[in-house]
Amino acid sequence: DAGVTQSPTHLIKTRGQQVTLRCSPKSGHDTVSWYQQALGQGPQFIFQYYEEEERQRGNFPDRFSGHQFPNYSSELNVNALLLGDSALYLCASSLAGEIRQPQHFGDGTRLSIL
Amino acid sequence: QKEVEQDPGPLSVPEGAIVSLNCTYSNSAFQYFMWYRQYSRKGPELLMYTYSSGNKEDGRFTAQVDKSSKYISLFIRDSQPSDSATYLCAMSAEYSSASKIIFGSGTRLSIRP
Repeated sequence: DAGVTQSPTHLIKTRGQQVTLRCSPKSGHDTVSWYQQALGQGPQFIFQYYEEEERQRGNFPDRFSGHQFPNYSSELNVNALLLGDSALYLCASSLAGEIRQPQHFGDGTRLSIL
Repeated sequence: QKEVEQDPGPLSVPEGAIVSLNCTYSNSAFQYFMWYRQYSRKGPELLMYTYSSGNKEDGRFTAQVDKSSKYISLFIRDSQPSDSATYLCAMSAEYSSASKIIFGSGTRLSIRP
């Protein structure tokens, strides 16, 4: 049973560029959440996708956008990259409506901005 | 003030010791409490979750929640070198697994052989 998979594992970009990160949820899950984890900090919620729509959003600017596909996989896009966007980007999946069951995290994509 | 505060450590203890990790929170709407373990270069791995005040035990791990004090703890008994990792407390306002999770900043734990 494949868990949450993310690609790529590591990415280097320069300021002003755009980046797309990808996530495949755990088998049977239909909801994908994205988190940003800066070095030495806990993950911060970016947004969540369900039924191909953004359902919740954290305190992140519009430069951060996403998409969910019919097979439940998801992409995170970040435009006009800033040095402060350097972080580990985590994807978590879950099953909508499931009560008292945890989200499952992937190992993340480490994004470095030069 | 952050919604969730966690002692950053680092914390270093000898093998076999009892470890206590703690978090406080300010949002009384939080109902669902979790502890994640994160090894270097890996994603968070769920250790324990609970949705009520009191204790929940799983092997060497015990999670404790005191909603009246807005305080949660994780105890590790008979600590092992393999327990060396960063421990993240986390919580959400809803019981649904799709809820937004708010994390603490993590405590880095090292178990000395």
